[in-house]
Amino acid sequence: DADVTQTPRNRITKTGKRIMLECSQTKGHDRMYWYRQDPGLGLRLIYYSFDVKDINKGEISDGYSVSRQAQAKFSLSLESAIPNQTALYFCATSDPFGGETDTQYFGPGTRLTVL
Amino acid sequence: EDQVTQSPEALRLQEGESSSLNCSYTVSGLRGLFWYRQDPGKGPEFLFTLYSAGEEKEKERLKATLTKKESFLHITAPKPEDSATYLCAVARGSTLGRLYFGRGTQLTVWP
Repeated sequence: DADVTQTPRNRITKTGKRIMLECSQTKGHDRMYWYRQDPGLGLRLIYYSFDVKDINKGEISDGYSVSRQAQAKFSLSLESAIPNQTALYFCATSDPFGGETDTQYFGPGTRLTVL
Repeated sequence: EDQVTQSPEALRLQEGESSSLNCSYTVSGLRGLFWYRQDPGKGPEFLFTLYSAGEEKEKERLKATLTKKESFLHITAPKPEDSATYLCAVARGSTLGRLYFGRGTQLTVWP
């Protein structure tokens, strides 16, 4: 079984709809991250969380919100989707206490299309 | 302001033709430099972490090296299955837990 899972894997929605992307992990890591990836722009950080009570904005948080329901679950919401939020979305985790601090492990991604 | 710059953007190699990918960085207080491999439509896969200048790590046909200003990912005798986008990222001391990614080098190895 994959250590970091994301649901759904693909989603097509319409402008103005509310969308939630979910991430679960079995690695036991405290830190979780949400990125988006656009062609030619690389990975950009949306939000990150160092524990259940700690949520931080990344580079491009406008239009997004997150919820850390448990150590293993971190959800990303688009309150009112717009076409320029069409992208690949990745969840990642890291372990601040392990031997390779800062190393992030990524999920398989969610391809989101907003029409 | 770009902190991580990868070059070239794209590289085409014939099978067996060795080459190197470059990652230059301008961060202070480097905590680590990371290499990832990403196949189309998939999540980045961790390859290496380098922590200090002079450090080297190897995995199969890949070897990563680090200086005070840049890192190289050397690919020796590549095979078509090495085709992917290779991402470089850095961690810096002032923003614990965050990685800053370059835009990647898209490698194509043809038979």
